[in-house]
Amino acid sequence: ETGVTQTPRHLVMGMTNKKSLKCEQHLGHNAMYWYKQSAKKPLELMFVYSLEERVENNSVPSRFSPECPNSSHLFLHLHTLQPEDSALYLCASSQEPSYNEQFFGPGTRLTVL
Amino acid sequence: AQSVTQPDIHITVSEGASLELRCNYSYGATPYLFWYVQSPGQGLQLLLKYFSGDTLVQGIKGFEAEFKRSQSSFNLRKPSVHWSDAAEYFCAVGARQTGANNLFFGTGTRLTVIP
Repeated sequence: ETGVTQTPRHLVMGMTNKKSLKCEQHLGHNAMYWYKQSAKKPLELMFVYSLEERVENNSVPSRFSPECPNSSHLFLHLHTLQPEDSALYLCASSQEPSYNEQFFGPGTRLTVL
Repeated sequence: AQSVTQPDIHITVSEGASLELRCNYSYGATPYLFWYVQSPGQGLQLLLKYFSGDTLVQGIKGFEAEFKRSQSSFNLRKPSVHWSDAAEYFCAVGARQTGANNLFFGTGTRLTVIP
């Protein structure tokens, strides 16, 4: 595997389900990110982890719970989601300092019924 | 606060024609600027970036962008568009916060290429 991988690529879940999105980066980076991409809206930064510590949490509802067990893996745990949470969830990684670009995974297309 | 405006939601060009996608940013200090491209069902791929130095930046796939501080712009250009360039293009401004780099994205410009 190379770059940034995300699994699953597609996920359909009911509002009462619990699921997790997984992201893995194979680039040796030290920062990882979760973004939400909805139609007609800019990418929304949800969470940032730097050196495995959460450094950003942009007022994301508690039904989204991130986890970063090590510098290569990032999870987004989902529970009791709403239909408006349906979107493409993108994971990215970068190597500090900040002038290094972010590398994105292919995303997980989430549909909440 | 940082923000990015991409005024063109959708642009259609003929194959072989030149292309310019507009991007205006708002940021109090010297920005870090990026252009990304997203094909359907894919993540974002970096086309080019500007941090400092020469204001004309060359990227992959024949793209270039020019940073104009006086206009707060970072427009993307390509002299001759190929059908494979059809995709969504995102401009982003980077801001150094405590911790990792944060990017602020525009809403994107969808490019259609006609034969």
